[in-house]
Amino acid sequence: QSALTQPASVSGSPGQSITISCTGTSSDVGSYNLVSWYQQHPDKAPKLMIYEGSKRPSGVSNRFSGSKSGNTASLTISGLQAEDEADYYCCSYARSSIVVFGGGTKLTVL
Amino acid sequence: QVQLQESGPGLVKPSETLSLTCTVSGYSISSGYFWGWIRQPPGKGLEWIGSIYHRGSTYYNPSLKSRVTISIDTSKNQFSLKLSSVTAADTALYYCARHTTQLDWFDPWGQGTLVTVSS
Repeated sequence: QSALTQPASVSGSPGQSITISCTGTSSDVGSYNLVSWYQQHPDKAPKLMIYEGSKRPSGVSNRFSGSKSGNTASLTISGLQAEDEADYYCCSYARSSIVVFGGGTKLTVL
Repeated sequence: QVQLQESGPGLVKPSETLSLTCTVSGYSISSGYFWGWIRQPPGKGLEWIGSIYHRGSTYYNPSLKSRVTISIDTSKNQFSLKLSSVTAADTALYYCARHTTQLDWFDPWGQGTLVTVSS
C-alpha cells in the first residue's frame, strides 16, 4: 500500500485561501469517506483538524474545511493566518484494514 | 480529558527489540476504541505502525507486520509496541494515539518519544 500523494509545499498570503490535495486510489480515498487531516507545528504532536472527509472536531476553526472528489481529498484553509504555518498530513483508511498517510505538505504563510 | 504518554528506552542497539509503552489517562481503554502507534523519522512524514482494539484484535502496517507486536493491558490502562530486529531506519519519533473503531482518525496523540537505533 503506497503513501497518499500530497504536494511537498504550498504557500499563501494572510487572508488568502489555499488548498492542499491528497491523492490516493480506489483502494483507499476513492472507496471510503474516512479521510482525516492533521496539522503539525515544529516539535509538536499532530493535531486532528478534519475527520471523515469534512467534519471538524470541536475547537477547530471553521476556516478549515475538507472535501473529496474521486480519489482525491482536499483540505482548504480560508482567511490564512500566520499561525496556520505548519505541516499538514492526510490519512485514509484503506482496504484490508490498513491505514495510510500522505507524505505531508509544508504550508508557508508569506 | 484523555491523555496519552509514551515511555521507553531512547536508545536501542541494531538487531535488538524496541519496546515502548503508552499509558492512557482520563479514559478506560477497556471501554472501547482502537489504540494506535505512529512513527515519524527525523525530518520525514508520518507512518502508521499498527493498532489494537480494546478487546485485543490487531491490525498492522504490512511493511512492518513481520517485526511488530502490539499488546494491551487493560488492568494498567496501557498498550505497548515491540519492534524486533531494528536498524538505523527505525530511528524515529514514536507516537501513540487513540484510534477510532473504523480505523479512521487519530485523536488525541501523545507527545511522542524519540527512539534512536545506534550501537
